Amino acid sequence: EAGVAQSPRYKIIEKRQSVAFWCNPISGHATLYWYQQILGQGPKLLIQFQNNGVVDDSQLPKDRFSAERLKGVDSTLKIQPAKLEDSAVYLCASSSGQGTNEKLFFGSGTQLSVL
Amino acid sequence: GIQVEQSPPDLILQEGANSTLRCNFSDSVNNLQWFHQNPWGQLINLFYIPSGTKQNGRLSATTVATERYSLLYISSSQTTDSGVYFCAVELRIDMRFGAGTRLTVKP
Repeated sequence: EAGVAQSPRYKIIEKRQSVAFWCNPISGHATLYWYQQILGQGPKLLIQFQNNGVVDDSQLPKDRFSAERLKGVDSTLKIQPAKLEDSAVYLCASSSGQGTNEKLFFGSGTQLSVL
Repeated sequence: GIQVEQSPPDLILQEGANSTLRCNFSDSVNNLQWFHQNPWGQLINLFYIPSGTKQNGRLSATTVATERYSLLYISSSQTTDSGVYFCAVELRIDMRFGAGTRLTVKP
C-alpha cells in the first residue's frame, strides 16, 4: 500500500514570496491533515479536511495561509506572502475517516526555509 | 484546549537498556497515539491506544485514561530506536502533539 506522498521535499524562498505544497493521501482515506513542525517542537495542526470539507482550521493563519482539497483526494497548502517565522517542516497526514478515532499516517514532509 | 506533557525531554541510553516514556494529558480523550520520528524526520505510527495495553515486539504501551496518562516502554533498546517519540491526543478534533522525548541510544 502506497503511503502519503508529499512534494516538494525541500523549498527555499525569500520572505514575501509565495510557495505551495502538495499532498496525496493514502488511497481511500477520507481525512487529511496539514501540520506545521517548527524545529524542536511537536507538530501543530493547521487544517483538517473530511473529504473536501474543512473540519478544523482554527490554527491556520488565514491572512497568509490557504488550503484546498478539491474532489476530496489531493490537497494543496499555500503561503502568500511568506514570513521568516514560516520556516518549518510542513507535514501532511491522512486517516481512513471511518470513525471518530483513527490512526494517522504521515508523509515525509516539506522542509521550508524562508530567507 | 487539551494540554499534553511528555517526560523526560531527553534520554540517553546504552544499547540494550530499557526505558519508559511518559505522556500526561489534561482532559479526557478518545484518541491517543504514539509516534516515532526518525533522524530523517519521518513520523511513524507506533500505537493507537486510547486505553489499555498493547505490545509490538520490543515496544509496549499502556494508557490509563481515568488517570490521564500513557506510558511507552522500550526494552532492549537498539541504535535504530534513536529519534523523537511523540504522544498525540484528541477529544473530537485537533490531534494535539506533545513536545516529544528525544531518545539517543549509544552503541
